[in-house]
Amino acid sequence: AQTVTQSQPEMSVQEAETVTLSCTYDTSENNYYLFWYKQPPSRQMILVIRQEAYKQQNATENRFSVNFQKAAKSFSLKISDSQLGDTAMYFCAFMKHEGGNTPLVFGKGTRLSVIA
Amino acid sequence: NAGVTQTPKFRVLKTGQSMTLLCAQDMNHEYMYWYRQDPGMGLRLIHYSVGEGTTAKGEVPDGYNVSRLKKQNFLLGLESAAPSQTSVYFCASSYVFSSVSSFPFAYEQYFGPGTRLTVT
Repeated sequence: AQTVTQSQPEMSVQEAETVTLSCTYDTSENNYYLFWYKQPPSRQMILVIRQEAYKQQNATENRFSVNFQKAAKSFSLKISDSQLGDTAMYFCAFMKHEGGNTPLVFGKGTRLSVIA
Repeated sequence: NAGVTQTPKFRVLKTGQSMTLLCAQDMNHEYMYWYRQDPGMGLRLIHYSVGEGTTAKGEVPDGYNVSRLKKQNFLLGLESAAPSQTSVYFCASSYVFSSVSSFPFAYEQYFGPGTRLTVT
C-alpha cells in the first residue's frame, strides 16, 4: 500500500516571500503520478500542480513549482511570491498508474498562512 | 456545465438514522469516488466506481454503501449513522486514462464542493 507523509502540519510565510512544503511518499510502484491540491476556506479542492514519475523535469505552474526526487521519494512544493490568496490547506497526493485512473492517496495536509 | 455537484451541502443526523448523499457529474466521466475528510487526517477513500453498475471498496468502507445505477450519479448511503461518521464528504470524478490522449485531462480528478455531515 502507498503512504503519503506531510511532516509540517502548519506553516506561515510573509507576503511576497517563498515557502516550501514537504511531502514524502512510500511505494513500490514505478509508474505513478503526484499532485498538490489546495483547499481554501471555501472547502473546494483545487489542483495546483501535477508530476509524472517518469519525467525527470520538475513541473512548474506560474508561481508554483515542485522538487521531485524519485530516488528519495520526495515531492516538495515551492510557492514563490506568496499571496494572501495562497492561504489554504495543501494536500500532497499519490496516484498509481495501472492503465487507468486509480484513487488518490492523500497526505494529512499542511495548513499554510500567508501574512501581510 | 456544472461539473461535479453534491446534494445536500449540510446535514445533521441523529445516531441510527439513515441518509443518502448524491453526487452528480455532467462530464461523462467513467470513474467516480467518495472520500471523507476529517481534521488532521487528510482525505480517505470510502468507495469508488470504475463504471456504471460497478463499485469497489476503498480504505474506510465500513458503515457505508454505494450505488452507481447511472453513469452520471454515484450515491453514498449511511444505513445507521454513528457519531464517528461526522465528517466532510467529497465526491470526485475522472476520465478513463486510456480514453483521453491529451494531458492534462488524463489524470485529473474533479471534486465536488463537499457535504458537511454531523451525527449527534
